[in-house]
Amino acid sequence: DAEITQSPRHKITETGRQVTLACHQTWNHNNMFWYRQDLGHGLRLIHYSYGVQDTNKGEVSDGYSVSRSNTEDLPLTLESAASSQTSVYFCASSVTSGGYNEQFFGPGTRLTVL
Amino acid sequence: GQNIDQPTEMTATEGAIVQINCTYQTSGFNGLFWYQQHAGEAPTFLSYNVLDGLEEKGRFSSFLSRSKGYSYLLLKELQMKDSASYLCAVLDSNYQLIWGAGTKLIIKP
Repeated sequence: DAEITQSPRHKITETGRQVTLACHQTWNHNNMFWYRQDLGHGLRLIHYSYGVQDTNKGEVSDGYSVSRSNTEDLPLTLESAASSQTSVYFCASSVTSGGYNEQFFGPGTRLTVL
Repeated sequence: GQNIDQPTEMTATEGAIVQINCTYQTSGFNGLFWYQQHAGEAPTFLSYNVLDGLEEKGRFSSFLSRSKGYSYLLLKELQMKDSASYLCAVLDSNYQLIWGAGTKLIIKP
């Protein structure tokens, strides 16, 4: 069955370290998204991609970067982790870029920055 | 700015009916989604409305009024497993999903 996976599921790191969160989907979807979810806030878009070599900044992109070298993967990198980046991170994918575009979510990565 | 409002928390009784409201102000509108999220899990898709009216899917129904910037999710015959957060999201003019903070629904026996 097609799926979307994230790794690691839990990560504890220190301020200033570079961290990469992996996202892998086997749906063969063109579109992939990274969100963060914090208490009291809705899901907030960090970066997204509509295809290989395409990346775009979302609402809260500062301090994060992504790259898309193939259809299946969209790794999220925190260049220099900050305590404000402690959050739950969700990766999602969808097949179309407009209209009805149900997004399928990965299980999430809980990141703690000390 | 763009804004989606939902109640923070609601409580209902097993077997009853509950209505979760969502109001939105966004730059453009290309559809409204409802997702369910159990604690510690990923959101999962429930419904999509792009035209005014009611969409029914089993025990769950979703209503949209574009002129009022308003939607609701109606859950019937509540079960304990319906205890979860319900997220409202609007697809704006740039086809970006704008998410509400979610409504935590507590079901009591």
